[in-house]
This record gives sequence, structure tokens and C-alpha cells, in this order.
Amino acid sequence: SQQGEEDPQALSIQEGENATMNCSYKTSINNLQWYRQNSGRGLVHLILIRSNEREKHSGRLRVTLDTSKKSSSLLITASRAADTASYFCAGPGNTPLVFGKGTRLSVIA
Amino acid sequence: SQTIHQWPATLVQPVGSPLSLECTVEGTSNPNLYWYRQAAGRGLQLLFYSVGIGQISSEVPQNLSASRPQDRQFILSSKKLLLSDSGFYLCAWTSGASGANVLTFGAGSRLTVL
Repeated sequence: SQQGEEDPQALSIQEGENATMNCSYKTSINNLQWYRQNSGRGLVHLILIRSNEREKHSGRLRVTLDTSKKSSSLLITASRAADTASYFCAGPGNTPLVFGKGTRLSVIA
Repeated sequence: SQTIHQWPATLVQPVGSPLSLECTVEGTSNPNLYWYRQAAGRGLQLLFYSVGIGQISSEVPQNLSASRPQDRQFILSSKKLLLSDSGFYLCAWTSGASGANVLTFGAGSRLTVL
């Protein structure tokens, strides 16, 4: 079963622009996590937001969570070519994590 | 510091042949261990997870199996591979202690079944 569904499936932007990815989930969560995957590599954890939090920042990353709408968004500000990757949300926070299909982000220099 | 090793990195196998992918974690004890598969265009699919030696939970019925013979070793196997088993296999671990369960992934094993 899919816990998170990312939207859009693919996103192409110019370097310097902001990138926004959305995640909708079905069941209640303890926390929601975002991961990045560079092509052909394993996933890397980016940021975790707990169910009682509404917004969290980490460097150029900003994550929001709306538990009433069962949705989260990941904003990458001032994007760089190195941000080109697939981004996944995952929940529900207790073992085991279930991932969506991801958003493929392409940042064009 | 903790590290996770996964091998082989790439594998090309004929249909009907056996499979063994190995994953080991260093620098921690009693981790929770996971096998995920990523098929082209289908996202990440949880296959197996283990919270201790000999304890395996299967999420998807198929011709794959997993074993945990040692605390920090997780093995994915098949007796006879199918074409549909092709994909990118990822091992991951989390701390066995209660917490947020942030996953740390290995570099992955790309399997092509011909």
C-alpha cells in the first residue's frame, strides 16, 4: 500500500528558481519524512516533520505539514543544478516506512 | 560512525537462476533492517523488514525471501529468478531503539534478469 503520493511526477525549473513538491498521504502519521535520490544511488534523508509541527526549515529546504488535509509540501529555494534528483515522501513514522513514487526534479543551469 | 554495505552493486542473471544479495551494517547493534525494490517508474516497494535475528516480515508475496543470520546482516534470496524481479534493490536500516525511524540506505544493487 502507498503511504504517500507525490505531485507533480516530474518538475523542470531553471537554476535559481524555487521548486515545490507536494505529498498526500492516506493514514494517520507520527511523522513524515522527505528523502532525495540521485540517479542510480540510494536514498538520502533530508528532513523529518512531526505530526504536531506545521513547518520546518533546514538550509534551503522548507517543509510544511497539514494533518487535516493529510498533505505535506517540500520547498527548495534558490535551486541549483546539484538539486537535480528524485524526491520522495515517506510515512507513517513508525516502522516500516512506506514511500510514494517520487517527484523527478530537473534543475537546468 | 555507522555504515551500511550492500553487494553486489550490479548483477545480470538469467531467468531461473538463484539470487543472493547481501547487506551488512557496521557501527550499531540490533538495527531494524529493510529490503526495498525500485522498479522502473514504480517507486519504492517495501519487500521485507526485520527487527531482530531470525525475525522477518514479508510485505509482498513473491518468489523472493529474506534471512537475517546475524544481528547486522540481511540477505535477500531467490531460488529461481523471474524477469519481473529485475530492478534496483535497496537495503536500509534504522535504530532498533524507539525513535523517529529515519532510514539510512545502502548504495543499492541493480539486478537485470534476462
